[in-house]
Amino acid sequence: NAGVTQTPKFQVLKTGQSMTLQCAQDMNHEYMSWYRQDPGMGLRLIHYSVGAGITDQGEVPNGYNVSRSTTEDFPLRLLSAAPSQTSVYFCASSYSVGRNTIYFGEGSWLTVV
Amino acid sequence: TQLLEQSPQFLSIQEGENLTVYCNSSSVFSSLQWYRQEPGEGPVLLVTVVTGGEVKKLKRLTFQFGDARKDSSLHITAAQPGDTGLYLCAGGAGDYKLSFGAGTTVTVRA
Repeated sequence: NAGVTQTPKFQVLKTGQSMTLQCAQDMNHEYMSWYRQDPGMGLRLIHYSVGAGITDQGEVPNGYNVSRSTTEDFPLRLLSAAPSQTSVYFCASSYSVGRNTIYFGEGSWLTVV
Repeated sequence: TQLLEQSPQFLSIQEGENLTVYCNSSSVFSSLQWYRQEPGEGPVLLVTVVTGGEVKKLKRLTFQFGDARKDSSLHITAAQPGDTGLYLCAGGAGDYKLSFGAGTTVTVRA
């Protein structure tokens, strides 16, 4: 049981480049989400999905796109990377939010130069 | 502005000492969770509390949810080096959005 798998682990981008962070879970969870973690800021919700075909914005959605074509996958797209998007990104999944365990991936370290 | 305020931001203690981490908010939460995160890894859930005044114990860790469900505390008794990590609280309001505090970095010296 792999849990939540994120790729890549590390990435360096130039300003203006685009890329996709991949996230897959094998627990048949309906709820998936993306967070970014910055020093002193904790985890901030970027986008989330409550099921295939359903996505919504979190606290800091600007500059990011998501889609949920299957229950298993929830990719995060950076359309035109900016230095302010340098961060550690975590994908997470759970049966629901609040009372159930949220399982996090190991994180993706992104640097935009 | 952080919805959940954690204090202190940093805590360094000697092995065997006790420590308490606080998580406060002006908002009411339907549930509150505590996570621990180690360097290079994602957060791992320690406990979920859902009832005002609830106290849960996990070995040497004691978690309390405030009566008004706006605050919580994590108390570690006789801390060990293995307790070192970033402790995060997270509040759920029932709308699919979990709000995290900025975290408390705990270092336990051997």
